[in-house]
Amino acid sequence: AQKITQTQPGMFVQEKEAVTLDCTYDTSDPSYGLFWYKQPSSGEMIFLIYQGSYDQQNATEGRYSLNFQKARKSANLVISASQLGDSAMYFCAITGAAGNKLTFGGGTRVLVKP
Amino acid sequence: DGGITQSPKYLFRKEGQNVTLSCEQNLNHDAMYWYRQDPGQGLRLIYYSQIVNDFQKGDIAEGYSVSREKKESFPLTVTSAQKNPTAFYLCASSILGGKALTDTQYFGPGTRLTVL
Repeated sequence: AQKITQTQPGMFVQEKEAVTLDCTYDTSDPSYGLFWYKQPSSGEMIFLIYQGSYDQQNATEGRYSLNFQKARKSANLVISASQLGDSAMYFCAITGAAGNKLTFGGGTRVLVKP
Repeated sequence: DGGITQSPKYLFRKEGQNVTLSCEQNLNHDAMYWYRQDPGQGLRLIYYSQIVNDFQKGDIAEGYSVSREKKESFPLTVTSAQKNPTAFYLCASSILGGKALTDTQYFGPGTRLTVL
């Protein structure tokens, strides 16, 4: 079984500052993929970034980057230069040998202050 | 524009009634998925389908049924056997059906179901 833990239920961040969202995972699969999604108040889940377990480099996508520490089983999302539109719920998810299934964490709510 | 559509956006149901949620995609993706989200929680997988006329149960399939008669469509029926159906339902699709770890799931806008 796979498990995702997001320990920060909510965070405030000042506009233009960076914020780090924690994600730790547990899996017995030797290969796995980690995903981050953003869920604004409208409800739609928006894909942000992907990190594979065998990727040598941390993933980056625009203002989003992953701090992937395999030995510690953590995949923290860093949002740089926060914008008001970044206010949303953020979910970390993992897929493994059964690649058709995503297991989600409980999410972290981010509120960007002007 | 390619994407995933779900209808209706809001749905109200009386106890004991079955209700069907629609999900359509024009992305030419092989796989489609249904998730349930309860307030303040993450998503849980209900059913998924990797190919037409085939589907598999997820973690919380009891009280739900699906069909996949066309590649573009994956409707979800919430039956009266579902004990607590009030939730937000999200449909997703992916191009490879999970055959690679990089296979990303893309989501529709969701349907909010309330049982009165």
